[in-house]
Amino acid sequence: NAGVTQTPKFQVLKTGQSMTLQCAQDMNHEYMSWYRQDPGMGLRLIHYSVGAGITDQGEVPNGYNVSRSTTEDFPLRLLSAAPSQTSVYFCASSYRDRGANEQFFGPGTRLTVL
Amino acid sequence: AQTVTQSQPEMSVQEAETVTLSCTYDTSESDYYLFWYKQPPSRQMILVIRQEAYKQQNATENRFSVNFQKAAKSFSLKISDSQLGDAAMYFCAYRSAAWSGGGADGLTFGKGTHLIIQP
Repeated sequence: NAGVTQTPKFQVLKTGQSMTLQCAQDMNHEYMSWYRQDPGMGLRLIHYSVGAGITDQGEVPNGYNVSRSTTEDFPLRLLSAAPSQTSVYFCASSYRDRGANEQFFGPGTRLTVL
Repeated sequence: AQTVTQSQPEMSVQEAETVTLSCTYDTSESDYYLFWYKQPPSRQMILVIRQEAYKQQNATENRFSVNFQKAAKSFSLKISDSQLGDAAMYFCAYRSAAWSGGGADGLTFGKGTHLIIQP
């Protein structure tokens, strides 16, 4: 199993550009989520999904869109990048059962917006 | 909304010694889960240990153990026999056990503690 994969690992954008961060998992997890990590901060939840076709907002959703057309994939879209979106982005997945289920994290994408 | 506070931005310990990392949280819920994650320089988030709030017994995983004080809303991590490979950022995290429906569902993280291991 590859676990949770993210592409790209690094990306530099100019203000106003759009891009999609890819996330895929091969563990048949229902739950997937996106976090951002800024210097001196813990991870903050952007969006999450409890299954194909179902998404919801987290703590910091502004400027980001998501969709979940398959169980495996959960892309994060930046429609018009801003310098405030410079961050490291993590995708995570887990089973949906109520419980202390481990969330498996991808390796992260470091995004710089100039 | 829940909050998680890690009051120690940085801790240093001698190799083979024991160190305790602090975490407090604020919640009005009675059913939840607590986690400690490790983030080495590789950036990968690695689960260290987890605790269910309904369990009174403190969780242990080899050299890692927690001191869970539910009334005090405290969840500290003890690392025994510290090793060079333990050097990393450590994050405390909270997850509600409630079926959130329309509310945000995910982990709430503290800001982290940078653990340095002195050889």
